[in-house]
Amino acid sequence: SAVISQKPSRDICQRGTSLTIQCQVDSQVTMMFWYRQQPGQSLTLIATANQGSEATYESGFVIDKFPISRPNLTFSTLTVSNMSPEDSSIYLCSVQLRGSNYNEQFFGPGTRLTVL
Amino acid sequence: RKEVEQDPGPFNVPEGATVAFNCTYSNSASQSFFWYRQDCRKEPKLLMSVYSSGNEDGRFTAQLNRASQYISLLIRDSKLSDSATYLCVVYLISNFGNEKLTFGTGTRLTIIP
Repeated sequence: SAVISQKPSRDICQRGTSLTIQCQVDSQVTMMFWYRQQPGQSLTLIATANQGSEATYESGFVIDKFPISRPNLTFSTLTVSNMSPEDSSIYLCSVQLRGSNYNEQFFGPGTRLTVL
Repeated sequence: RKEVEQDPGPFNVPEGATVAFNCTYSNSASQSFFWYRQDCRKEPKLLMSVYSSGNEDGRFTAQLNRASQYISLLIRDSKLSDSATYLCVVYLISNFGNEKLTFGTGTRLTIIP
């Protein structure tokens, strides 16, 4: 597996502001993913972030709202822009290790976001 | 129809009992299958991949039935530490080349002393 860290671990933000979440991995990975887990629900994929290319967004998620950076093989950021209370959620990054079989993914500890 | 469906539970099971979860998926082109475990307020952790021939890891056994499009997880001799939410997860490469894990809503298990 990999050691994955996220910053911040939690935050409380005012509506209309933006928050950037960082994800750091202890090894080089090609594929990184950003998920959202709303209270009491399962995980929903926001986008796939591959180094050297634009992020690929899932239906219902757009770049203007969730811009993503992937400057190198160990780091990515997700920004939640112009936040509203509906954005209150846990945001998780995950990685798929190079050479891993069966497309296994490993998750960071998550960022718990509350928007007032 | 949801892409991945699970019985949300809760399953309340006495310690030492055997418990089984099932999960169905809608896309027959799905390629890989997993069970993840998520403890309260924690991230999901990979419990086991599910292989076509079925596989076992200690007290845990996973089965895949492609014809019926379901996956199962069996936990034998359950321990208090098995209390968690178990997520059924399916991997697919879409027609657009996007690789994607799709998560079920999870089955909540509580082991009772």
